[in-house]
Amino acid sequence: EPEVTQTPSHQVTQMGQEVILRCVPISNHLYFYWYRQILGQKVEFLVSFYNNEISEKSEIFDDQFSVERPDGSNFTLKIRSTKLEDSAMYFCASRGPMNTEAFFGQGTRLTVV
Amino acid sequence: DAKTTQPTSMDCAEGRAANLPCNHSTISGNEYVYWYRQIHSQGPQYIIHGLKNNETNEMASLIITEDRKSSTLILPHATLRDTAVYYCIVEETSYDKVIFGPGTSLSVIP
Repeated sequence: EPEVTQTPSHQVTQMGQEVILRCVPISNHLYFYWYRQILGQKVEFLVSFYNNEISEKSEIFDDQFSVERPDGSNFTLKIRSTKLEDSAMYFCASRGPMNTEAFFGQGTRLTVV
Repeated sequence: DAKTTQPTSMDCAEGRAANLPCNHSTISGNEYVYWYRQIHSQGPQYIIHGLKNNETNEMASLIITEDRKSSTLILPHATLRDTAVYYCIVEETSYDKVIFGPGTSLSVIP
């Protein structure tokens, strides 16, 4: 069964450092997403990406965040200067064409210390 | 900005059917009902979706009322591994972002 792969599974970083979270979406999918989940809270939408550009972003996705699909297979989320409150699980998702479900990766647990 | 209402939590005895309700009274004609679940901070997992007709797959059944204002997800023989948060989500198009509400926390009890 096809799956979305995320690396690393756990990342610890110091406050103020840059982090890049990586995702390999399912190969023929067209739409890509990042979500985050702070411990004990609900899953929150960050950004959607289609046709090599951001199609929608939430209020959470401020100037500290950026996304990229550098080589047609990987999909990355960069946080430029991490804050303590960025500590969360980050999920990547992708979906294919018409009326199909979203597939989620298993997440990267980011801990900012 | 979730468009659905679900009970906060439910219990179900192992081996029995789990019936999870969802209200979506403002659903429009071209919006689909999707169900996902999240097992203990793992990535959310798709279960089933439908537009008007009832649907069944290897995981569950989805019953949508005739007026489409509510639906029920049925897990026919719940196991301990079905303990999870279940999300009922209304989406218009295939590329819509999935918006998660608080969902229903289902506990399957031995």
